[in-house]
Amino acid sequence: GENVEQHPSTLSVQEGDSAVIKCTYSDSASNYFPWYKQELGKRPQLIIDIRSNVGEKKDQRIAVTLNKTAKHFSLHITETQPEDSAVYFCAASGGGGADGLTFGKGTHLIIQP
Amino acid sequence: DARVTQTPRHKVTEMGQEVTMRCQPILGHNTVFWYRQTMMQGLELLAYFRNRAPLDDSGMPKDRFSAEMPDATLATLKIQPSEPRDSAVYFCASRPGASYEQYFGPGTRLTVT
Repeated sequence: GENVEQHPSTLSVQEGDSAVIKCTYSDSASNYFPWYKQELGKRPQLIIDIRSNVGEKKDQRIAVTLNKTAKHFSLHITETQPEDSAVYFCAASGGGGADGLTFGKGTHLIIQP
Repeated sequence: DARVTQTPRHKVTEMGQEVTMRCQPILGHNTVFWYRQTMMQGLELLAYFRNRAPLDDSGMPKDRFSAEMPDATLATLKIQPSEPRDSAVYFCASRPGASYEQYFGPGTRLTVT
C-alpha cells in the first residue's frame, strides 16, 4: 500500500517569512495529492491540491509543487500570518484505483509574531 | 455552504458497549469515507463507499467494526463491543463523483473508558 512521509513535524517561522513542508510517497501510481489544514479541535480543511499531470499549482499565498520522478511534493506558504498557525497534513491517493487518502503524520506550523 | 454533518459530536461510553456514529454526506456526493484520527497513528482510512456500495474496508478491524450506507443520505459506523483503544476522533468525508476533493465532517470524538 501507499506510504506518505512528511517533514518536518514542527516548523516555527517568523511572521512574514515563508514556510515549506515536504512529503514523499511510495506508490508511483498515486495521482492526487491534497493538503489539509487542521486547527485544534476542528475538521481537516482542504487548502490546495494537485494532480499528477501538473507540476505546480498556486492559490494566492499558497503553492504546491510535485516531482513525480522523485515522488515528492511540497507546500509553500509565503508571507505567513498568525492565522496560518495550525497542523498541516499532506496526503496521496489514486494508486491502483483506490480513492481513500493516505496521510502524512502532520506538521505543526507555528507563526511567531 | 453545504457541509458534511456527523452525530454525535462527542460520545463517552464504557468498554463493551455498542457505539453508532452517523454521517450525512453533502447532497449529491456519491463517495463517502470514514477516517480515524489518533495522536499515535494520525489520520487513517477505515472504509469507503461509492453509490452506497462498500469498496474498501481493509483499514477496519473486522471483528468489531461495521460500516453501512442504508441510503444515499446516511452512512453509519458501528463498534461492538467498544474497547479503550477505539478512543479517537472519527471523521466522515464525502466527495462528488466527478471530483477528487474530499470534504470532511466535524468528527465524532469517542472516549471509551
